[in-house]
Amino acid sequence: EIVLTQSPGTLSLSPGERATLSCRASQSVTSSFLAWYQQKLGQAPRLLIYGASSRATGIPDRFSGSGSGTDFTLTISRLEPEDFAVYYCQHYGTSLYIFGQGTKLEIK
Amino acid sequence: EVQLVESGGDLVQPGRSLRISCAASGFTFDDYVMHWVRQPPGKGLEWVSAITWNSHTIDYADSVRGRFTISRDNAKHSLYLQMNSLRAEDTAFYYCAKGTGPYYGNFDSWGQGTLVTVSS
Repeated sequence: EIVLTQSPGTLSLSPGERATLSCRASQSVTSSFLAWYQQKLGQAPRLLIYGASSRATGIPDRFSGSGSGTDFTLTISRLEPEDFAVYYCQHYGTSLYIFGQGTKLEIK
Repeated sequence: EVQLVESGGDLVQPGRSLRISCAASGFTFDDYVMHWVRQPPGKGLEWVSAITWNSHTIDYADSVRGRFTISRDNAKHSLYLQMNSLRAEDTAFYYCAKGTGPYYGNFDSWGQGTLVTVSS
């Protein structure tokens, strides 16, 4: 079974800074089904990135995804106050639908 | 605009049953796979079950297989989850989520969730 491990568990940054979030798979996965979600407190998750690097509808271009094989990255180029939230990576494959444990992005 | 509205969450005793529902609007419901994803309060996301557009393929997480049953009614634009033999560890917010196509992929729209609490 594939496991997705996100790091760091918590990331403390200031508005305007660049955020880099990591998602590592226990074995090589298909980039086509690697996605990133944002979840703000008390809200449902929202799709940010699909296919490892494609932005979902309405997602600002400060969000970008990259990676392949076992290592994937979500980058937020310049943090806005509304970006502080929990971020999850997710993959569909032979292990069906797997989520990482999440990275909490908090205001420093 | 896609809208997914869950309902039916409740406080239920261990071993009992509960059915939750999701009403969909704003898209062609029978063109898409639909999912249930759950989240225990304060914890991470766990995929629960999926049903393809024509109900021909259904998948479950190991943690619920044999106890939960997913179904859909395309005429009513509705998704259901019948939960039997409930356990304390089933306590969670249950989200209805729309897939990106008819069969598999990621989740591009989510409802606001309904809370199921399993406790005596």
